Amino acid sequence: GESVGLHLPTLSVQEGDNSIINCAYSNSASDYFIWYKQESGKGPQFIIDIRSNMDKRQGQRVTVLLNKTVKHLSLQIAATQPGDSAVYFCAENPIQGAQKLVFGQGTRLTINP
Amino acid sequence: DGGITQSPKYLFRKEGQNVTLSCEQNLNHDAMYWYRQDPGQGLRLIYYSQIVNDFQKGDIAEGYSVSREKKESFPLTVTSAQKNPTAFYLCASSYYRVNQPQHFGDGTRLSIL
Repeated sequence: GESVGLHLPTLSVQEGDNSIINCAYSNSASDYFIWYKQESGKGPQFIIDIRSNMDKRQGQRVTVLLNKTVKHLSLQIAATQPGDSAVYFCAENPIQGAQKLVFGQGTRLTINP
Repeated sequence: DGGITQSPKYLFRKEGQNVTLSCEQNLNHDAMYWYRQDPGQGLRLIYYSQIVNDFQKGDIAEGYSVSREKKESFPLTVTSAQKNPTAFYLCASSYYRVNQPQHFGDGTRLSIL
């Protein structure tokens, strides 16, 4: 398949373990954050979002944590499965009321059997 | 099924040629976006459009042009002025409301012959 990033940070986890992917964002005024999953040769797929008035949000097998004090966002994936192998991007919306997302570089998650 | 369709999946351009990438959505989204993705980098915004017949430059608009004559369609032309056009191009759409996630197509990979 096509590579979307040749020099991405990589996280390797054992199948069944929990994964934690971290993201440092740049703008303290950002009010909305999104995590995307991108598989090889495909477009990013929406996973979960969180607004700045929250510090935690849960979805199916995923949890996003937001720490505005240190401008840090994390994505936790419970019981990681082979299908979770992908590149994960965080995105922030630094201009309130606008729709212009700023994307991080991405983290490649690989699952060891 | 609702979604975003990008075509073609692979496109080849000769030096000096303009090429147009297609993006169509049937999600009834107001806003549409074009991003460029290079290996080792996150997505960078080329152009975006919040309503029909209106669009704005993103961070890397030089060498590109767009039109938005219909709500469903937002074609991107890569002109001969774009000196490094080889990349993965992604189209996205969203509702034009505060803090709405963007949803992506599966991209067009453009290469220079």
